[in-house]
Amino acid sequence: DVKVTQSSRYLVKRTGEKVFLECVQDMDHENMFWYRQDPGLGLRLIYFSYDVKMKEKGDIPEGYSVSREKKERFSLILESASTNQTSMYLCATQISYRVSKGGNQPQHFGDGTRLSIL
Amino acid sequence: AQSVTQPDIHITVSEGASLELRCNYSYGATPYLFWYVQSPGQGLQLLLKYFSGDTLVQGIKGFEAEFKRSQSSFNLRKPSVHWSDAAEYFCAVRGGGADGLTFGKGTHLIIQP
Repeated sequence: DVKVTQSSRYLVKRTGEKVFLECVQDMDHENMFWYRQDPGLGLRLIYFSYDVKMKEKGDIPEGYSVSREKKERFSLILESASTNQTSMYLCATQISYRVSKGGNQPQHFGDGTRLSIL
Repeated sequence: AQSVTQPDIHITVSEGASLELRCNYSYGATPYLFWYVQSPGQGLQLLLKYFSGDTLVQGIKGFEAEFKRSQSSFNLRKPSVHWSDAAEYFCAVRGGGADGLTFGKGTHLIIQP
């Protein structure tokens, strides 16, 4: 089974702080994703990465950045946290986006990090 | 760009009754379609997926879904729900690019005793 581990289940930070959310996977998947989930809005893609050191903006990248220095780890960074970034953050992985390498396979999700910015 | 609509925000069903959750998608080519379930405080778990072939797909926990191209729908069904099925359900579509899934906004399922 694919295991996607998010470093914290709950996190409380203050406005203006730099916040790091970590995600680690153990299945050598190429693709990794960060979503945020808000009531009534579903899941929205923040950033994704299809290879080490590669990153692409999703639908709502403003106020966030990411880092992927190693294949198994994908970090989401809030450069200067604001209260409107209070949310549930979900990390997901996928074997590859290339159909020839299983790109039609589903994404696998971590348990989420509930982040509160005070 | 692809999109997914789940018309029902909340659905209440009695335990033992049948269930159908609606999902409509918009995508130009043949889509890859998924249903996920999210229990409170948890991440998303894959219930089932459709890529091609048989339009009726079976998933885990007794769920099934039917792909209807003419209606651009991928509705989720279960013949008899259990109290443990109470959760949030998300329909998702994947396009042809490297980016992630496009999700519907979810349907919250409530099970009445």
